[in-house]
Amino acid sequence: DVKVTQSSRYLVKRTGEKVFLECVQDMDHENMFWYRQDPGLGLRLIYFSYDVKMKEKGDIPEGYSVSREKKERFSLILESASTNQTSMYLCASSPGGQEGGHFGDGTRLSIL
Amino acid sequence: QQQVKQSPQSLIVQKGGISIINCAYENTAFDYFPWYQQFPGKGPALLIAIRPDVSEKKEGRFTISFNKSAKQFSLHIMDSQPGDSATYFCAASWPGYALNFGKGTSLLVTP
Repeated sequence: DVKVTQSSRYLVKRTGEKVFLECVQDMDHENMFWYRQDPGLGLRLIYFSYDVKMKEKGDIPEGYSVSREKKERFSLILESASTNQTSMYLCASSPGGQEGGHFGDGTRLSIL
Repeated sequence: QQQVKQSPQSLIVQKGGISIINCAYENTAFDYFPWYQQFPGKGPALLIAIRPDVSEKKEGRFTISFNKSAKQFSLHIMDSQPGDSATYFCAASWPGYALNFGKGTSLLVTP
């Protein structure tokens, strides 16, 4: 079974901090994605990557950046955390050329 | 702009009943339409998916109906069970691209 592991289930940070969310997948998938999930808004795409060192902006990239130095790892970075970035963050991966995604269980991030 | 519109926002169904969730999309280039199921504390999990060359796909108690001309698709859960209580998301994507999700439907199946 595909396993997508997010390093933290819960995280509390302060405004202005630089925050790193880590995601690792164990199925050699080319594609990796970061979404945020908010009540009533569904899942919104922040960034995605089709290959190592490649990244593409999603629908809401402002305030975020990503890093993919190794195929199995995709990091989401909040450059200077703000309270409106309090949310559930979900990482997903999928094989190259195929749609869909296998999701991790999420990181619930609170910015105080 | 919301690429995929989902309704209803919440749904209560009695055990044994049929749960129906609807989605509509705008972009005719979408060619993959999955449904995801999410339980509290878990990430979404792929439930069933369809491509636009078929009008219906059934897997067990779960059926997707697809209407290409109306740009609509729906999830039917037959013989709904309390264990089906979860949040359901429809989605759509272009070939090999990221998913565009609906806002989700919270389903409660009462005993």
